[in-house]
Amino acid sequence: NAGVTQTPKFRVLKTGQSMTLLCAQDMNHEYMYWYRQDPGMGLRLIHYSVGEGTTAKGEVPDGYNVSRLKKQNFLLGLESAAPSQTSVYFCASSYPAGRTLTDTQYFGPGTRLTVL
Amino acid sequence: GESVGLHLPTLSVQEGDNSIINCAYSNSASDYFIWYKQESGKGPQFIIDIRSNMDKRQGQRVTVLLNKTVKHLSLQIAATQPGDSAVYFCAENRAAGNKLTFGGGTRVLVKP
Repeated sequence: NAGVTQTPKFRVLKTGQSMTLLCAQDMNHEYMYWYRQDPGMGLRLIHYSVGEGTTAKGEVPDGYNVSRLKKQNFLLGLESAAPSQTSVYFCASSYPAGRTLTDTQYFGPGTRLTVL
Repeated sequence: GESVGLHLPTLSVQEGDNSIINCAYSNSASDYFIWYKQESGKGPQFIIDIRSNMDKRQGQRVTVLLNKTVKHLSLQIAATQPGDSAVYFCAENRAAGNKLTFGGGTRVLVKP
């Protein structure tokens, strides 16, 4: 049981390039999330999904797109990377709120992205 | 806007002492709170949670206290160990979709 995994771990992009970050979870969670974390700050929600085939905007969605074609995978895309998107990106997953005794989100190890 | 925040950015603690990390929240509609621990280069790790119908919850060496009157949350770590050195975040759940809002984090440094 690997939990939440993310690929790649590190990536350097040039301004204007595109890339996709992959998140996978093997806990059969219905909800998945993408966050970004900037130095010395907490996590900010980019997009999230409450089930296969559904996505929704979070706090800072601009410049990002997501897809949830399979329940276990949640992809985060940058179509035209900008230096402001330099950050550490974390994926998380959870059961729906209220379904279990805890609504805890479980996080992956992160992807460190640098945009030059 | 409404947010979750922390009073102390850095807490230096002697090994073996107790640690107290504080967090303020402003949305009285929040009904679920979580404390996460984040070690350098890793993702946040769940420590303990509490629902708004509770005032206190205990785990292994950790206790979370919730004061709804003043909208304050605290994490107490008993007998702090070097492995407790990390950044601690509080988060609140106040929206559909189980979305969490995170505070800015407190760094705990354990002195030997």
